[in-house]
Order: sequence, then C-alpha cells, then structure tokens
Amino acid sequence: GEDVEQSLFLSVREGDSSVINCTYTDSSSTYLYWYKQEPGAGLQLLTYIFSNMDMKQDQRLTVLLNKKDKHLSLRIADTQTGDSAIYFCAERSRSSGGGADGLTFGKGTHLIIQP
Amino acid sequence: DSGVTQTPKHLITATGQRVTLRCSPRSGDLSVYWYQQSLDQGLQFLIQYYNGEERAKGNILERFSAQQFPDLHSELNLSSLELGDSALYFCASSARTGGGANVLTFGAGSRLTVL
Repeated sequence: GEDVEQSLFLSVREGDSSVINCTYTDSSSTYLYWYKQEPGAGLQLLTYIFSNMDMKQDQRLTVLLNKKDKHLSLRIADTQTGDSAIYFCAERSRSSGGGADGLTFGKGTHLIIQP
Repeated sequence: DSGVTQTPKHLITATGQRVTLRCSPRSGDLSVYWYQQSLDQGLQFLIQYYNGEERAKGNILERFSAQQFPDLHSELNLSSLELGDSALYFCASSARTGGGANVLTFGAGSRLTVL
C-alpha cells in the first residue's frame, strides 16, 4: 500500500526560507502535489510535479523531487506571516488509496512563523 | 471561493442521529470526492463518484453512504452517529478521470460535532 509521511511542525523566522519535507512509499506515483490549508478553510492547491521531473519553480515556491529516495520537498522563499498554514503533501499513483483518480495525503505540516 | 460549495458549514448533533452533508462541485467537474479530516487520522479518503456512478471506495464505514445526482451534486449520509465521527468532512471535485494531473478542488468543509 501507499503511505505519505510528513513532519507535523516546522517553525521558521519571518524572511527565512521554509523547507517542508515529505516521503512516500509508492514507487508508481505519477504526480505529487502540495496543498495549503489556512485556518477554517479547505485545501488549496499550491503546485504539483510530474514524477519524471526533479524540480519545479513557481515564484517563491520550489518543489524538489528525488524519485530514487521517494522524497519530495517544498521550499518557500522569504517566508511571510501569511504563509502560516498547514501544508499537505499528496500523491497520485496507479494504486492510489485515494481512489481510482484520487489522492493520498500526508497528515500535514503546520508551518509556524516567528516574528 | 473555490467553486465547490458545501453545506452546512457547521453541524452539531447527538449520538445515534443521522445527518446529510451536501456538495455542489465546480461547474464542469464530473468527479466528486469525499474526505474526512480528523486530528489523529489526517485526511482520509471516503468515496469517489464520477458522472453519477461510484468509482472508488476508501475507508468509508458501512454507516456512511453517498450518492451523486444527475445534476452532479453529491450527498454524504452519516447514520448512527458516534462521538468518533466528529470531524471535518471535505468534498472535492475534479474535471477529469484517467490520466493526467487530476487536480482536486476542495470545498471549505462541513464541521460535524457529535455530542
């Protein structure tokens, strides 16, 4: 079966870079995703990466994928107070426990911003 | 506003009762997914519908059922409620099925409290 693991908390200073890590077990993963959940809100897609890529950049966000180690990371440059949220890693694989077309999510990393 | 509408936003009920959660997918999306979010289990996939048909089942209890109607809205029925059913229930929708990134768009969730 598939499993997605993330650290529960990350604390960074405002203005620093945040790096949120994720590991997954299913080697047939096709797409990997990062979602953001702000308090009282649903999940919002931040970015996704196809499994044959190793990096994707979108403004302050950089996603790195190490397929050999099944490791995904999200780097947020110049972290601001508005980045305070829960960040979910998710995978879509051919054997996804999230359903035929769905996603399997990690438990989320709470990003805490220190002034 | 993500375009996925969930009602009610909050619901408080007693053990043994039955509730219905409703979801209207984003315009044009044919797939609807239900997820349960709790503190200890994270985001758990419950069930997926595609164009009115059940497509995949996850960790959905027998006391729970769902359906997708011809107008594509979906309802999740939770019966014989227990304290442990207290959670956030999310609906998500996507446009496609099969290959590709299959981005899920989430609603704001329905918070169920069972007393």
